[in-house]
Amino acid sequence: RKEVEQDPGPFNVPEGATVAFNCTYSNSASQSFFWYRQDCRKEPKLLMSVYSSGNEDGRFTAQLNRASQYISLLIRDSKLSDSATYLCVVNGGDSWGKLQFGAGTQVVVTP
Amino acid sequence: SAVISQKPSRDICQRGTSLTIQCQVDSQVTMMFWYRQQPGQSLTLIATANQGSEATYESGFVIDKFPISRPNLTFSTLTVSNMSPEDSSIYLCSVESPDRSSYNEQFFGPGTRLTVL
Repeated sequence: RKEVEQDPGPFNVPEGATVAFNCTYSNSASQSFFWYRQDCRKEPKLLMSVYSSGNEDGRFTAQLNRASQYISLLIRDSKLSDSATYLCVVNGGDSWGKLQFGAGTQVVVTP
Repeated sequence: SAVISQKPSRDICQRGTSLTIQCQVDSQVTMMFWYRQQPGQSLTLIATANQGSEATYESGFVIDKFPISRPNLTFSTLTVSNMSPEDSSIYLCSVESPDRSSYNEQFFGPGTRLTVL
């Protein structure tokens, strides 16, 4: 079983619509959770950290459910520029920096 | 965030040769990480490089194949040795955020796209 699992998609989303997707993680000791965005042939870039209480950054909302061991990302009012692969990233439960990466969820926003 | 550069950005190499990838950061960082991302897949951690100590390798990666140097707090190199076509991949270095309140956040260099013929 993979440490971090995501629906690969693609999620085809009309411009202006809302899209949401989840990721599950297997290590209950994980402490830190992130969503990264990766554009084609580019490096991953941090989109947002995910906090226990949930957090919002503009059109992006992230939620953490520790009991069920999943995190979610919701994108409101989708823009064409939101088209990317979204990587779910979880730390391995250590106090230092080892991260586990999901394979990514592809989002395609269409005009 | 940290500004990270990598050299080379891409290379095409012959089987059996070696390539050294450089990673430079604009601030002093304790931990640097080297990842591999094979086509269509997510990132796999190769090793963690701390200044002044031996790198820590993940399962499936060995020092003879991927020697790492970390001479100071802003620089690291990863060598891909005795390359085969299976080593064709994107190699990325990353660093933890220098902001101590940003727990475990990592920032990535632009990557080195390696093709082995």
